[in-house]
Amino acid sequence: GAVVSQHPSWVICKSGTSVKIECRSLDFQATTMFWYRQFPKQSLMLMATSNEGSKATYEQGVEKDKFLINHASLTLSTLTVTSAHPEDSSFYICSASTPTGGYTFGSGTRLTVV
Amino acid sequence: QQPVQSPQAVILREGEDAVINCSSSKALYSVHWYRQKHGEAPVFLMILLKGGEQKGHEKISASFNEKKQQSSLYLTASQLSYSGTYFCGLAGGGGTSYGKLTFGQGTILTVHP
Repeated sequence: GAVVSQHPSWVICKSGTSVKIECRSLDFQATTMFWYRQFPKQSLMLMATSNEGSKATYEQGVEKDKFLINHASLTLSTLTVTSAHPEDSSFYICSASTPTGGYTFGSGTRLTVV
Repeated sequence: QQPVQSPQAVILREGEDAVINCSSSKALYSVHWYRQKHGEAPVFLMILLKGGEQKGHEKISASFNEKKQQSSLYLTASQLSYSGTYFCGLAGGGGTSYGKLTFGQGTILTVHP
């Protein structure tokens, strides 16, 4: 139980275009989801907290206009990287707290901007 | 503030034991441990709540010392499948920190046959 489905798994896009990443909680309701970014051989850095029906809360230094987060339902949160640039290339992962108290992660999206 | 993990990397032979430590300068509400394989998302191992509890699952266990603001992950009789990067995630208390996990820098564990 407590599965989060994330897609796409990987995406290559051209500089200047936008990319949308989806995370769905399959068997539970996730009122809050968290979006992380991970660069190679580094830790996961929290980007923002996504709350169903309200605005996301961004961590310091994360551009809210560049990383648009929408949490329109209890099972779906999306992250849109707008006007992507090569420096946005990274591994993006969502997570949600589970009914049992832990956190479950999506499978991650590897974004490459060329 | 990011918790500090030690060691940064450890190499074992199958059957050997390892301890990974995680310490914080801030008061802790709970500690989460995850293992991440290369190119994959982290996988939840266990959560420890304040109160000095110790948890275990087969040959992997963990302790949480609230006073010392640190947690340790114990891997006994390591198996090849234990290889990966281990992260501790620390959850703050209430307010704006609620639910947020701050991850340590990771400990790379490699188990050889």
